[in-house]
Amino acid sequence: GAGVSQTPSNKVTEKGKYVELRCDPISGHTALYWYRQSLGQGPEFLIYFQGTGAADDSGLPNDRFFAVRPEGSVSTLKIQRTERGDSAVYLCASSLQIGELFFGEGSRLTVL
Amino acid sequence: SQQGEEDPQALSIQEGENATMNCSYKTSINNLQWYRQNSGRGLVHLILIRSNEREKHSGRLRVTLDTSKKSSSLLITASRAADTASYFCATDGASGSRLTFGEGTQLTVNP
Repeated sequence: GAGVSQTPSNKVTEKGKYVELRCDPISGHTALYWYRQSLGQGPEFLIYFQGTGAADDSGLPNDRFFAVRPEGSVSTLKIQRTERGDSAVYLCASSLQIGELFFGEGSRLTVL
Repeated sequence: SQQGEEDPQALSIQEGENATMNCSYKTSINNLQWYRQNSGRGLVHLILIRSNEREKHSGRLRVTLDTSKKSSSLLITASRAADTASYFCATDGASGSRLTFGEGTQLTVNP
């Protein structure tokens, strides 16, 4: 596609529910990143994929968070048993090589 | 403290003035990048400077890097109201893969 696409753009859920956020990277980009951004803060690293494998998942805050990229393209970030503290904008980015990241518009998650 | 800390946190200037934002970091880097984010939008890459470079220009942007002081600055010359946004520096650290972002500088350019 022309850019990184993230869906949904907004998600409101209740505490304890399960949520999936999807990222469709730029075609041909092998690297894919997930970041989380709270209001007034910089993006916080969650996980980085190179191809299908998670090359670095050290930023995932706990085992409620999981991400997959089964075919090396689209990625899904999964959050189980959501908590109010999970409310944030979840940003996805892709890149062809180490260097410039291309970001999507983000998925705003609100946990009530 | 985070790798990549910008200062000031907020900057308000008049159109036509120059805006300077600073970034400090703690560990060795391969490169440092600057990104811009309009309110409610994703981040957009502005410029990348490698650890062996001291200065880089792109249009109205000028970036400097001082690896001995572990600091960088972003200068926007002849600012415009459309430059109003948050600006973040990002460093790659030893891994060279994951980028760590600072807290950002909120720039407001008044028309």
